[in-house]
Amino acid sequence: AQKITQTQPGMFVQEKEAVTLDCTYDTSDPSYGLFWYKQPSSGEMIFLIYQGSYDQQNATEGRYSLNFQKARKSANLVISASQLGDSAMYFCAMRAVNTGNQFYFGTGTSLTVIP
Amino acid sequence: ETGVTQTPRHLVMGMTNKKSLKCEQHLGHNAMYWYKQSAKKPLELMFVYNFKEQTENNSVPSRFSPECPNSSHLFLHLHTLQPEDSALYLCASSQERHYNEQFFGPGTRLTVL
Repeated sequence: AQKITQTQPGMFVQEKEAVTLDCTYDTSDPSYGLFWYKQPSSGEMIFLIYQGSYDQQNATEGRYSLNFQKARKSANLVISASQLGDSAMYFCAMRAVNTGNQFYFGTGTSLTVIP
Repeated sequence: ETGVTQTPRHLVMGMTNKKSLKCEQHLGHNAMYWYKQSAKKPLELMFVYNFKEQTENNSVPSRFSPECPNSSHLFLHLHTLQPEDSALYLCASSQERHYNEQFFGPGTRLTVL
């Protein structure tokens, strides 16, 4: 069975500091993708970054980077130089080849950026 | 119009009403999804459609009835709902590869009185 675990219900970070949001996953599928989404208070889910299971390098998108440790089955999101607008819920998700169109989401981490 | 759109954005209904939520995607994707997100709870997958065919139904009560007339449109028909059905309903679409992300609509915030 596929599973995503986010153990941090809430996190605080000072503006301009970096923060790491944890995500671990469980799958027996050798081919899968890992995704991070941001959900502001408005409700819309915004795609941030993708990491493939066969990617050799960690994904980066602007201030977002993904610390992918395949052996530990972790895919932590790192946000550098936090901004007030980064305050939101963050969800980790996984999609595997053998589970077709099914996405598996974690329970989310609420991030608050403090001025 | 681009991306994934949902209407209405807000809906208040009584338990005896019948209403429908609409989702439309302009991205050429072949899979569409309905999720329910209750306050302080994780996303719950409700239905998945792939090329108009339903592939997942996660034990959703029959008072929720999905309809997918084509790959671009998805409906969620609601009838005799309960107050605990009040939630944010999110529609999403994606392509079929495991490396394709989902694109979400803005959601419909539903309140059942």
